[in-house]
Amino acid sequence: GAVVSQHPSWVICKSGTSVKIECRSLDFQATTMFWYRQFPKQSLMLMATSNEGSKATYEQGVEKDKFLINHASLTLSTLTVTSAHPEDSSFYICSARPHSGGIHTQYFGPGTRLTVL
Amino acid sequence: GNSVTQMEGPVTLSEEAFLTINCTYTATGYPSLFWYVQYPGEGLQLLLKATKADDKGSNKGFEATYRKETTSFHLEKGSVQVSDSAVYFCALSDQMGGGNKLTFGTGTQLKVEL
Repeated sequence: GAVVSQHPSWVICKSGTSVKIECRSLDFQATTMFWYRQFPKQSLMLMATSNEGSKATYEQGVEKDKFLINHASLTLSTLTVTSAHPEDSSFYICSARPHSGGIHTQYFGPGTRLTVL
Repeated sequence: GNSVTQMEGPVTLSEEAFLTINCTYTATGYPSLFWYVQYPGEGLQLLLKATKADDKGSNKGFEATYRKETTSFHLEKGSVQVSDSAVYFCALSDQMGGGNKLTFGTGTQLKVEL
């Protein structure tokens, strides 16, 4: 089956620093990747949608200057949390839609736990 | 806006017990409905889906029926196994958004014991 990896799986950083999270589709090309955020005991919230080679589309209320998304290739998207603060601590999940997949097809990564001290 | 409500967990069952996880939704238009499962340490995986009213999605012994009249998509399995222990997410896809956006419920953790 299609596999999506995320790196790192968990990260702890100091307040004010920036953190980059990678999302890779390992055995397929993904024209579209999605980034979600999940707080404890809450649902996944879509943050942004990125298409290879173009700017990401952010959901309402998500600061694009704080959460930088780059989808530089058909197998890699990155999310950079800039000047992280404790309120950015969360579980970040990416998903990828295959080039040949239907509109409902998304393969999810295992998530990255970010803790900002 | 769209929303999905599912029962809180954890749900703890004995092996071979009957499982029901309730899911109701609010949406404009005619959404597609999904159940995803997340095993420990892994990403969400699509378990089953239904794209129109009265459709029944099924996979691995699990099934759910798209009930438009009650705006529900309850997940059922007749006999659970220890290996079914996971977190289950109900979700809907907004057709008006081109099918891109998934709205998730909060997830229900299932624990199956021997």
